[in-house]
Amino acid sequence: EPEVTQTPSHQVTQMGQEVILRCVPISNHLYFYWYRQILGQKVEFLVSFYNNEISEKSEIFDDQFSVERPDGSNFTLKIRSTKLEDSAMYFCASGVREGQETQYFGPGTRLLVL
Amino acid sequence: GESVGLHLPTLSVQEGDNSIINCAYSNSASDYFIWYKQESGKGPQFIIDIRSNMDKRQGQRVTVLLNKTVKHLSLQIAATQPGDSAVYFCAENIGGYNKLIFGAGTRLAVHP
Repeated sequence: EPEVTQTPSHQVTQMGQEVILRCVPISNHLYFYWYRQILGQKVEFLVSFYNNEISEKSEIFDDQFSVERPDGSNFTLKIRSTKLEDSAMYFCASGVREGQETQYFGPGTRLLVL
Repeated sequence: GESVGLHLPTLSVQEGDNSIINCAYSNSASDYFIWYKQESGKGPQFIIDIRSNMDKRQGQRVTVLLNKTVKHLSLQIAATQPGDSAVYFCAENIGGYNKLIFGAGTRLAVHP
């Protein structure tokens, strides 16, 4: 069964450093998402991406964040200058098309900013 | 687990019993709802979904009930098994917006 994959599974970085989280969505999916989950809190939407552009972003997704689909398979989330409060689990998800809203999630990347 | 649950409500059940997990959603305009299961170290896993034009939907051992009047969603798991132990999240979607809004989660603990 196809699934969303994410790398790395864990990342530790120093405050102020840039990190890139990588995702490979399910191959025939067209909609891509990033969510995060801070320890002990609910899963929060960050950004959705369709047709090579951001379709929606939350207030969390400020200028320090960016997303990219550099080729036909990868979908990345970049945090330019990490802050302590960026420590969280980051989940990538993908969906087939609008009107079929089920989103399938990857296993997540645990980011720890020191 | 990755969803932690240090402060999550916990439902403890005996193996073989039926479980009911409840969720109150926030937006009356939401028209699609999903239940996800999150096991330790994994991402949310799709269980079952329901659209707002329905009030009940059944899957294998699971049933979702939707009460739009009080904005309440429930997940019923029949004959709960140890493998059902996880954190369960409801999520809502407003048509055309694509993003999912997640609830706080409930930890289900199944005891043999």
